[in-house]
Amino acid sequence: KQEVTQIPAALSVPEGENLVLNCSFTDSAIYNLQWFRQDPGKGLTSLLLIQSSQREQTSGRLNASLDKSSGRSTLYIAASQPGDSATYLCAVRPVELNDMRFGAGTRLTVKP
Amino acid sequence: EAQVTQNPRYLITVTGKKLTVTCSQNMNHEYMSWYRQDPGLGLRQIYYSMNVEVTDKGDVPEGYKVSRKEKRNFPLILESPSPNQTSLYFCASSLSLWRGWAYGYTFGSGTRLTVV
Repeated sequence: KQEVTQIPAALSVPEGENLVLNCSFTDSAIYNLQWFRQDPGKGLTSLLLIQSSQREQTSGRLNASLDKSSGRSTLYIAASQPGDSATYLCAVRPVELNDMRFGAGTRLTVKP
Repeated sequence: EAQVTQNPRYLITVTGKKLTVTCSQNMNHEYMSWYRQDPGLGLRQIYYSMNVEVTDKGDVPEGYKVSRKEKRNFPLILESPSPNQTSLYFCASSLSLWRGWAYGYTFGSGTRLTVV
């Protein structure tokens, strides 16, 4: 059964710092991996989608990498800002499931 | 604007009173899905639909019903809500899950349901 783990569960950093969020999954048989942002009580906003054949995707200050064989992905946020404060979720699309499997998220706080 | 629209955003109801949460997408997506999000448990799938008139149970379907009569709409029905269904609900859609590689998901803004 595919399990997705995100470490750390919470992270607090000063503004301007570069940071890395981690996501690991137990089964490498996936179609893709997606990173989402969720603000408190709000919906999930898609940040980056990486197909299984890709190694990374970039959007602005965000860079997501995927190492499928080792079951790991990282989300790199450059020059963090207070507006980046949110919960970040990763999700994988397992080959054998008609759904995605989500991690529990990392709650990020960027202090001014 | 391409989006998934859920209504209502907030709902407080009493035990046993039937309710429907609507979900509509304007992207011609084949796949739609309902999730509930609870503290410490993350996102759990309730029901999903691969296309019109094709629905199936997710991980936590008990106490819920769905229908997919039109491609754009996927309502979630609680026939007799109970307090343990108090949660934050999300609808999501994706272009298709049939193909060899999958598209990403688009989520609605959520419905916070309280059953008293």
